[in-house]
Amino acid sequence: GENVEQHPSTLSVQEGDSAVIKCTYSDSASNYFPWYKQELGKRPQLIIDIRSNVGEKKDQRIAVTLNKTAKHFSLHITETQPEDSAVYFCAASSYGQNFVFGPGTRLSVLP
Amino acid sequence: DAGVIQSPRHEVTEMGQEVTLRCKPISGHDYLFWYRQTMMRGLELLIYFNNNVPIDDSGMPEDRFSAKMPNASFSTLKIQPSEPRDSAVYFCASSLRGEETQYFGPGTRLLVL
Repeated sequence: GENVEQHPSTLSVQEGDSAVIKCTYSDSASNYFPWYKQELGKRPQLIIDIRSNVGEKKDQRIAVTLNKTAKHFSLHITETQPEDSAVYFCAASSYGQNFVFGPGTRLSVLP
Repeated sequence: DAGVIQSPRHEVTEMGQEVTLRCKPISGHDYLFWYRQTMMRGLELLIYFNNNVPIDDSGMPEDRFSAKMPNASFSTLKIQPSEPRDSAVYFCASSLRGEETQYFGPGTRLLVL
């Protein structure tokens, strides 16, 4: 089955700096890679996703890149703000099924 | 749309009792997922349904756990008998065929004493 690894497990950055979180997956059949943000005590919420036919996708300060050959994808947050502090999860699935989440990255943006 | 609805939001019970968690997916969504989240194990997929039919229950921990989806707008996750190690936040999520975005409910925080 699919296995998703995520690094780092914790990340602290200064406000205004960039943050990068990396994930690797094992199943070459996976074709959908979402990123979820979970604030303390809240539900996970989708922030961006990418499909296997695209190498990069950007939405304002957030971007995701995908390297299918190497089976890894990354989340990039630029100009970080305190409200970006949360736990971020990557996930991989094959056609919307067999969802496997990474273990999460706790991001702290320091003022 | 009100989004995915879960009840109860909090449940405290004693070991050995039966626990039933409920979920109402977003109207029109045909996939429904049950997850368990703990500090130690992270976010685990327990089971998912497509058009009310269980597709993959390989994540269900053991026979004490069961899930049903009697119709397109309702699902239950039952634990019988409950044990302290079942304490966790249980999320329900739904998605629309042809799109993979999962929308999570607010979760049920379960504490088994």
